Amino acid sequence: GAVVSQHPSWVICKSGTSVKIECRSLDFQATTMFWYRQFPKQSLMLMATSNEGSKATYEQGVEKDKFLINHASLTLSTLTVTSAHPEDSSFYICSARATAGVLGYTFGSGTRLTVV
Amino acid sequence: AQKVTQAQTEISVVEKEDVTLDCVYETRDTTYYLFWYKQPPSGELVFLIRRNSFDEQNEISGRYSWNFQKSTSSFNFTITASQVVDSAVYFCALRPSGNTGKLIFGQGTTLQVKP
Repeated sequence: GAVVSQHPSWVICKSGTSVKIECRSLDFQATTMFWYRQFPKQSLMLMATSNEGSKATYEQGVEKDKFLINHASLTLSTLTVTSAHPEDSSFYICSARATAGVLGYTFGSGTRLTVV
Repeated sequence: AQKVTQAQTEISVVEKEDVTLDCVYETRDTTYYLFWYKQPPSGELVFLIRRNSFDEQNEISGRYSWNFQKSTSSFNFTITASQVVDSAVYFCALRPSGNTGKLIFGQGTTLQVKP
């Protein structure tokens, strides 16, 4: 079945540094990647949608300059949290969709980010 | 507005009990899709079911069953004879029509099954 590999699974970084999270589709081409953030005991909130080769579309209230998304290939999308602060500490999870109109979503295993 | 409401924040049952997780959605779209996902403590999301708005047939898969009622905008999930391994957070999600494909998640229901 479709697999999305997300790395790292957890990361601790210092305030002010940047962190990159990768999501790779291992056995299919992900034309669309969705990035979600989940705070403890809360729901998944969509941050942005990216299509391969295009600029990401950010949800209202999400700072595009802080959360940089790159979807340069059909198998790799990255989320970079720039100048991270403790309030950015959260669980970040990606979801890939193979082709527009196809209903299957494959989720990565998530990245737990702690900013100290 | 597009919205999913899971009114039950936490449910605790004893093993072998049946439990129903409620999901109510809001959308003006005539074509939409509903999903249920399971999120165990490890964090990954496990797909359970997808249902489109034109298919109101209830579905059963082993101990799991789903009741979709458009008249009440509900898509409830029942686990029969619950087991400790069912302990997790369960999310109901709505995919409205349109090509963005994004999912709108409910708040989630934490299910604890005690031995």
